[in-house]
Parts: sequence; C-alpha cells; structure tokens
Amino acid sequence: EVRLLESGGGLVQSGGSLRLSCVASGFTFSSYAMTWVRQAPGKGLEWVSAINGGGGSTYYADSVKGRFTISRDNSKNTLYLQMNSLRAEDTAVYYCAKTSGYSEYRIDYWGQGTLVTVSS
Amino acid sequence: EIVLTQSPATLSLSPGERATLSCRASQTISSYLGWYQQKPGQAPRLLIYGASNRATGIPARFSGSGSGTDFTLTISSLEPEDFAVYYCQQRSNWPLTFGGGTKVEIK
Repeated sequence: EVRLLESGGGLVQSGGSLRLSCVASGFTFSSYAMTWVRQAPGKGLEWVSAINGGGGSTYYADSVKGRFTISRDNSKNTLYLQMNSLRAEDTAVYYCAKTSGYSEYRIDYWGQGTLVTVSS
Repeated sequence: EIVLTQSPATLSLSPGERATLSCRASQTISSYLGWYQQKPGQAPRLLIYGASNRATGIPARFSGSGSGTDFTLTISSLEPEDFAVYYCQQRSNWPLTFGGGTKVEIK
C-alpha cells in the first residue's frame, strides 16, 4: 500500500523559512518522480514543484521559483521542500504526491497534507 | 502556461442522476489529462488518467472522454459518496496545471 506522510508544516512569519518532509513507503521510491501540490484555504489545487526519480531534474511553478527548493533522499525514502522568503500567499495545505514513473508526471497517489500558515 | 477551464463551477443534482463535467484546455494537450475527486478535509484521489482510463479501484460509473482541448468526466448514476469537488489536471506541458474545479452538490 502506498503511503505518503508529510510533516514540517506550521506557523511562520512572513520572510521566514520552513522545510517540509514527506516519508514514502509501499513502493520503490527511487523509481518514481514526486511532486508537491498546494491548496490555499477554500481554494483549488496549485502545482508547486516536481523532481524526477533520481533527483537530477527539478521543476517549479513561477510563483515559487527562486524561493523554494525540492530535493529527495532516496536512501531515506524522503522528499523535501525547502521554502524560503515565505509570503502570506504561500499559506496552504501542502500535499506530497507520487507520480506514475521515473520521469512521468501523472499524479497517482497523494499524502494527507501539512498546513503551512504564513503570518504577515 | 496551459489554462484549464472547468464548467460548470457547481452542478446541483440528485442521487441517481447523470453528471457531466467539462474541462477545456487553452491549447492542445493530446490525452495528457487526469481527473481527481476531492472530498472535504481529504486529499484528492485519482479517478481517470490519460483522459479515459479509470484508475485502480474506481467504479465503472466514472468515465472520461476527449482529446486535444475538450474533455468530459461523466458519472453515469450519482451515488451519495460522489458528491464532491472534481478537478482536471494536465501534464502535457510545464508547468503542470489544474482546472478551477467543479463542485457536485446534492440538489
């Protein structure tokens, strides 16, 4: 069974930093690209970032480029999102999501999410 | 950036009725489209991938169709557990994008 467990969310002041983690189990982590998707309170889904299975290719939404960094540690089955220079508009539930292949970006499983609140 | 426009924003139907949800892309995306269901307080769940393929464990009452720029999600006969928000998402081009969602509510 695929399991994705996010952690690291919380309350942070505008301009601050936070690192999210996502521990994966139930599949061969290094064989799959992973993504982060966020959802602001009462709003729709917004893709944030993606990384391929080996970690050598990364992609970002324009809204976070230069401020967020996605990475992974395949030895620990863990995905990360380092978030710097946080803004009020970054307030959202952040979902870790598995994709369907090494460099395939079809999202097939989602974690339960971790809430990030940025106070201004 | 490829914009996905979902319509209608809200669909008010009764259990047993047929639901037809639309997703239109601002440029062609072949069949690189997925549909997700999200219930309040829960993570999204994959329903359809490749525009028309049901994901594992998804009931046959859910079906997807379309290619290019126009896509449809059909729920043939609504069950009580189907009342939720539905999102389409494309993976044809970076950045990945989602539609704004269609809420299927009980009439």
